[in-house]
This record gives sequence, structure tokens and C-alpha cells, in this order.
Amino acid sequence: NIVLTQSPATLSVTPGESVSLSCRASQSISTSIHWYQQKSNESPRLLIKYASQSISGIPSRFSGSGSGTDFTLSINRVESEDFSIYYCQQSYSSLLTFGSGTKLEIK
Amino acid sequence: EVQLQESGPGLVKPSQSLSLTCSVTGYSITSNYWGWIRKFPGNKMEWMGYISYSGSTSYNPSLKSRISITRDTSKNQFFLQLNSVTTEDTATYYCARWAKGFDYWGQGVMVTVSS
Repeated sequence: NIVLTQSPATLSVTPGESVSLSCRASQSISTSIHWYQQKSNESPRLLIKYASQSISGIPSRFSGSGSGTDFTLSINRVESEDFSIYYCQQSYSSLLTFGSGTKLEIK
Repeated sequence: EVQLQESGPGLVKPSQSLSLTCSVTGYSITSNYWGWIRKFPGNKMEWMGYISYSGSTSYNPSLKSRISITRDTSKNQFFLQLNSVTTEDTATYYCARWAKGFDYWGQGVMVTVSS
């Protein structure tokens, strides 16, 4: 199984700050990583696919980068609606796996 | 617009089977891949399996002996059956479309396994 390790587990920030969330894979997965946002009592929403490809309808303040084993989701100037849990997920292996999530909370 | 909606019982007894339906509107399930994902209390997410546009299936090996995903193309629905459930199967279950990322999700159904 490809294990995805997300850090930090919790990130406390003030609205307006810019943040970077990390996802590290247990082996090289090229750019086969996808990022999701899940707000409380809602379904996950796809933010970024294949490490850096944007998704229609997602605000431009969300961006992704990385390849191999290290990936980053960046949020430029966090807004109040961004406080939620973020997951990475890999599709390099036929056994799809998710990271454990990073909770972005208000400081 | 693509929409997915899960339905099924919210309470299942241990050792019984969990059966859920995902009804899809706005897109045919004879295209793309259609998956089941669950989120446990404590936020861990697990991919359970999917059924493809052709009807072939792929399952998480951790569930392989207990899981079955089938479909009814005439109703544009696909189904999850999980056998011999235990309290560890208590989770929120989601169906979703895979198109280079899970791009459309149902609202989720919370299933509790308890006697």
C-alpha cells in the first residue's frame, strides 16, 4: 500500500495568512496526487488533480505543487470559508489511498 | 449537472449485511468509474472499491472477501454490499464519480453497526 502522510495534523491560522499543507508519499507516485476539501457536514470537494491541475469553479487562491514523494497544497490568503479538513489521495496504485488529513482552523 | 445520492439503512446489526444504493442523475454510469468511499469517526478516509463503465470491479484488498459492487444501468444506479459487518464498519459512506479525481460526490449516508 502507498501510505500518504499529511502534516501538520492541525494548522491554526489567521484569515489573510497564506499557508502550505504537506503530503508525503511512501514511494514515488509521479504526480498522481489529488487534493480535497471537506467542510463540516459536507461531502469532500475536489480542489486540485494530478498535483497541480486546477479544477473549474475552485478559487484561484488554491494551488498545488510537487512530484515524486513530496506534495504541497497552498492557499494564498486564507478566507473564513477555507477552515475545514484537507485530504490528499493518490491514484498511482490501483489501491487508492487517502492521507489522514490536515485540519485548518481559525487561530 | 451530475448528481449522486446514497440511500440505505442507517443502522445495521453486527454480522448482517450493509446494502447501499447510489442513484446517479445527469450522467450515465456506463461512462467513467463509480466508487464507494467511507469516512470513519476520527476522519480516516478509505476507498472501498469501484465499478467501471463496462461493469468490471476493483476492490480494496482489505475488504475483498466481504464487498460486492454491482449496478443496474437501466436505473442508472450502482450498489454496495458489505457482508459480515462489525462495529468497525460504522462510518459515513459516500458514492463518487472517478474522473481523474473524485469529482462528484453524494451527500453521504451515516451507517452505524450496533445491536
